[in-house]
Amino acid sequence: SQKIEQNSEALNIQEGKTATLTCNYTNYSPAYLQWYRQDPGRGPVFLLLIRENEKEKRKERLKVTFDTTLKQSLFHITASQPADSATYLCALDGRSSNTGKLIFGQGTTLQVKP
Amino acid sequence: GAGVSQSPRYKVTKRGQDVTLRCDPISSHATLYWYQQALGQGPEFLTYFNYEAQPDKSGLPSDRFSAERPEGSISTLTIQRTEQRDSAMYRCASSRLGGSDTGELFFGEGSRLTVL
Repeated sequence: SQKIEQNSEALNIQEGKTATLTCNYTNYSPAYLQWYRQDPGRGPVFLLLIRENEKEKRKERLKVTFDTTLKQSLFHITASQPADSATYLCALDGRSSNTGKLIFGQGTTLQVKP
Repeated sequence: GAGVSQSPRYKVTKRGQDVTLRCDPISSHATLYWYQQALGQGPEFLTYFNYEAQPDKSGLPSDRFSAERPEGSISTLTIQRTEQRDSAMYRCASSRLGGSDTGELFFGEGSRLTVL
């Protein structure tokens, strides 16, 4: 069956360190993958999109990699700050079913301690 | 509008009642999505629209759930004969692009439904 997995355990790191979050998927062939940030009580906010033919994408302190062989995306936040504390969601398209729907993982909560 | 607007923000209803949730997407956006989000989980896809067409409603949990977008802008999600298990946050999102290349989604603040 199709599955998207993110680490359900919260990630706790010290301010200034690099946070790395993982998104694994099975039985999908996505054309692209997206990462969103969600703060408590708020809707998800788009961060980055990476396409299947892109290995890496950067935006300020954020970096996303996409390995279609491993079926995995890694999301990095360098020089992390307490304000980066939030839940991070990966999402991929349902191209395998030729629809436009976006399927989300369950999210990983990041806590950055000062 | 400037952002995706959902109403009501909170709805408490008794089991067996019908509920209608409303979403007003960003005005230039072709695609509109409905998601259900349980606490501590990611959004679960329900259905989406390209303008007024509804290409995929495979995520609707039962025939008690239906959605409309008759003029390609505002959408409603209706749950008939609500059950306690329907209690959740219902999120609407819109996207500028249509077709199978969705681009980024812009989410509303959600409608929290509680069924007693």
